[in-house]
Amino acid sequence: EIVMTQSPVTLSVSPGERATLSCRASQSVYGNVAWYQQKLGQAPRLLIYGASIRATGIPARFTGSGSGTEFTLTISSLQSEDFAVYYCQQYNDWLIFTFGPGTNVDL
Amino acid sequence: QLQLQESGPGLVKPSETLSLSCTVSGGSITSSSNFWAWIRQPPGKGLEWIGRISSGGRTDYNPSLRSRVTISVDTSENQFSLNLTSVTAADTAIYYCASPLIPEVGTGFWDVWGQGTTVTVSS
Repeated sequence: EIVMTQSPVTLSVSPGERATLSCRASQSVYGNVAWYQQKLGQAPRLLIYGASIRATGIPARFTGSGSGTEFTLTISSLQSEDFAVYYCQQYNDWLIFTFGPGTNVDL
Repeated sequence: QLQLQESGPGLVKPSETLSLSCTVSGGSITSSSNFWAWIRQPPGKGLEWIGRISSGGRTDYNPSLRSRVTISVDTSENQFSLNLTSVTAADTAIYYCASPLIPEVGTGFWDVWGQGTTVTVSS
């Protein structure tokens, strides 16, 4: 099983600031990583797939990068609606898709 | 627009079987090479992929749950279902059904999610 780890656990930022979230895979997953945003009481929302491709309707302030084992999600200028938990997920191993534990972005 | 909606009991007794359905609207469950997934989230915790079924009936399950999970499709109802046997308190979670929006782009990630249904395992 490919283990996904995320750092930091919590990221405290102010509106307008840049946020950088990290995700690491226990072995290479090439570019097969997705990022999700989850707000309290809501289902996850797909932000990024293919490590860097924004999903439909996702604002340009969300940028994904990386390949192999190291991945980053950058939010260029945090808006109030961006405070949420962010999960990375690998889909390279189709026998078991796995998620990271999440990063909580808060004030 | 593709939409998913989970349904099923919110309370299941230990050792019994958890059964949930996901109704697909805005599209056909048999449409082109799609995969329909179940994902769960224990209270206050992260996401766990349970398994998926293709529009052709092929299934993939999380190895940690494989012995207890069955996912099936009911084409007449445009639904897919989850059965999880011998449940314990550890199976208490929000259960989501999910699907790729455009399977030709990829089937290992999910653009479309149901709102989730909370299942509690308790006597």
